Amino acid sequence: DIQMTQSPSSLSASVGDRVTITCRASQGISNFLAWYQQKPGKVPNVLIYDASTLQSGVPSRFSGSGSGTDFTLTISSLQPEDAATYYCQKYDSVPRTFGQGTKVEIK
Amino acid sequence: QVQLVESGGGVVQPGRSLRLSCAASGFTFGYYSVHWVRQAPGKGLEWVGVVSSNGNDKTYADSVKGRFTIARDNSKNTVDLQMNSLGPEDTAVYFCTRGSIVGTKRPLDYWGQGTLVTVSS
Repeated sequence: DIQMTQSPSSLSASVGDRVTITCRASQGISNFLAWYQQKPGKVPNVLIYDASTLQSGVPSRFSGSGSGTDFTLTISSLQPEDAATYYCQKYDSVPRTFGQGTKVEIK
Repeated sequence: QVQLVESGGGVVQPGRSLRLSCAASGFTFGYYSVHWVRQAPGKGLEWVGVVSSNGNDKTYADSVKGRFTIARDNSKNTVDLQMNSLGPEDTAVYFCTRGSIVGTKRPLDYWGQGTLVTVSS
């Protein structure tokens, strides 16, 4: 099975900072990669799909890039409401493995 | 609007069984696969399994294979997750999520609110 590895596992940044989270697949998955945001006590929400397509209603400060095995989620200017845990997930085939998550805290 | 509502969670003793249900509405249920995802307390998301749109194909994570079974009833717009031989490691919130239409590959775009399963003596 393909493994998904996210880094870092956590980060702390200030409002206005540019934040980058990476996700690496152990084998190529083309662009079948989604990013989810989960706030404490809430259900995960899709931010990005097809590696770089912004889900409707998601602020434009979020962007995704990559293809094959290496992917990136970028928050261009971190806002207080972005404090959450972010997960990548492959959906090229089953199992639809998630990354282990990246917790983003606001300094 | 699209809704997925899980039910059936609770406290169960190790080794026992539990069945979760997911009721869907607001979309053409029979067109979409349905996935189950779980999240242990304070931990990350773990994909559990999927049932195809017509119910004929099912795939499970290795951690639950042989113990969990997914079934759907397209006449009632429901999906069940039958969980047998439960252990403490199965303690989690279980989410029902909408997958893809046949022939497409899409992310999990709608999630239920989840139902908590606690395995404890």
